Amino acid sequence: DTEVTQTPKHLVMGMTNKKSLKCEQHMGHRAMYWYKQKAKKPPELMFVYSYEKLSINESVPSRFSPECPNSSLLNLHLHALQPEDSALYLCASSQGAGTGNEKLFFGSGTQLSVL
Amino acid sequence: GIQVEQSPPDLILQEGANSTLRCNFSDSVNNLQWFHQNPWGQLINLFYIPSGTKQNGRLSATTVATERYSLLYISSSQTTDSGVYFCAVEGMDSSYKLIFGSGTRLLVRP
Repeated sequence: DTEVTQTPKHLVMGMTNKKSLKCEQHMGHRAMYWYKQKAKKPPELMFVYSYEKLSINESVPSRFSPECPNSSLLNLHLHALQPEDSALYLCASSQGAGTGNEKLFFGSGTQLSVL
Repeated sequence: GIQVEQSPPDLILQEGANSTLRCNFSDSVNNLQWFHQNPWGQLINLFYIPSGTKQNGRLSATTVATERYSLLYISSSQTTDSGVYFCAVEGMDSSYKLIFGSGTRLLVRP
């Protein structure tokens, strides 16, 4: 199984809502990533978890809260988002040997619209 | 931080044609990957190629790390090759930080 599964595929939320994005992989990977992609732009790194611990936070606003409850799951909790946060949110995983330099596998993303 | 430039930004091909996409990067890297993003947003990893040459069917890639560039070759293009091709690199001192270029948008016409 070489799949990274993201749910939901589409999400519409208001600025006062709280929602969560979910990501799951069963490849035994120990590094998991959140990327954000605006229309017609490249993906931008948000967070990296290595062995269930947050190792990289690219100065992401606190209205985005990541969580890695176990080695297979990655969540992104959303609260008080702004319309400019509307984007495709991509999850990825890699083997996580500890030194980076690894092949990334991406999920199909969650298309988020904030009204 | 490391800069990644891709060219051309846009490319239109007739089905069956060949093409070469280029990725230049500003500093030494220990990781370089090529991705294809289809019209539905799915990013598919085509090659993990920090150096050397690899081939996979009609696609091949070459990275010349000492000269800081990589090339992706598409031969006998098909309409299903349409989408955006991204090059992504990880700098020597930036473990797990894969930085994407701006992409090449490819349209293959039947």
